[in-house]
Amino acid sequence: EAQVTQNPRYLITVTGKKLTVTCSQNMNHEYMSWYRQDPGLGLRQIYYSMNVEVTDKGDVPEGYKVSRKEKRNFPLILESPSPNQTSLYFCASSPRIGQYEQYFGPGTRLTVT
Amino acid sequence: GQQVMQIPQYQHVQEGEDFTTYCNSSTTLSNIQWYKQRPGGHPVFLIQLVKSGEVKKQKRLTFQFGEAKKNSSLHITATQTTDVGTYFCAGIRSSGTYKYIFGTGTRLKVLA
Repeated sequence: EAQVTQNPRYLITVTGKKLTVTCSQNMNHEYMSWYRQDPGLGLRQIYYSMNVEVTDKGDVPEGYKVSRKEKRNFPLILESPSPNQTSLYFCASSPRIGQYEQYFGPGTRLTVT
Repeated sequence: GQQVMQIPQYQHVQEGEDFTTYCNSSTTLSNIQWYKQRPGGHPVFLIQLVKSGEVKKQKRLTFQFGEAKKNSSLHITATQTTDVGTYFCAGIRSSGTYKYIFGTGTRLKVLA
């Protein structure tokens, strides 16, 4: 089954404790992206990747890191989480950038206390 | 700040009534996509519009892309309870970036 998976689905952590949210897709998509969703703000793009070893900042990259060592995986790293990073995070992929639909993962609910 | 606004933010309708959400961008978009997110779920792609002035229909849903490629609308005829959810527009700026920008979303509630 074609899908985007994320882990963990729920995470409660404390300020400053490094964490990684994994994202994996099995559709051989080139373009992958991370979003955060906050009430009233819609989805905001954090980072995106055009292909392996090619990543770039979205609109809200501060406090996040990503890597794309393999085509299927695009982990999101929070080196020192803060309470303002409490949010719902979605990973998405599409065949390429441009006129293609994005497939979203199920989401990761992160709470930083 | 947010550059794609959607109105209204919330809409409650009686089942059978029509519903429209509007998406307005401060910059020209190369395309517009619409997504639906059910409560507790993830965004699911509905449709994409690319051409200026383009109109597409999917059963009871009608999508429109403005002539200036800065605005779009989604109209649902005769809403059903299955239409409940949040509708987002999204697009890529025409300025040569590879970033997606999403609208703020319209949450639709349908009362039976």
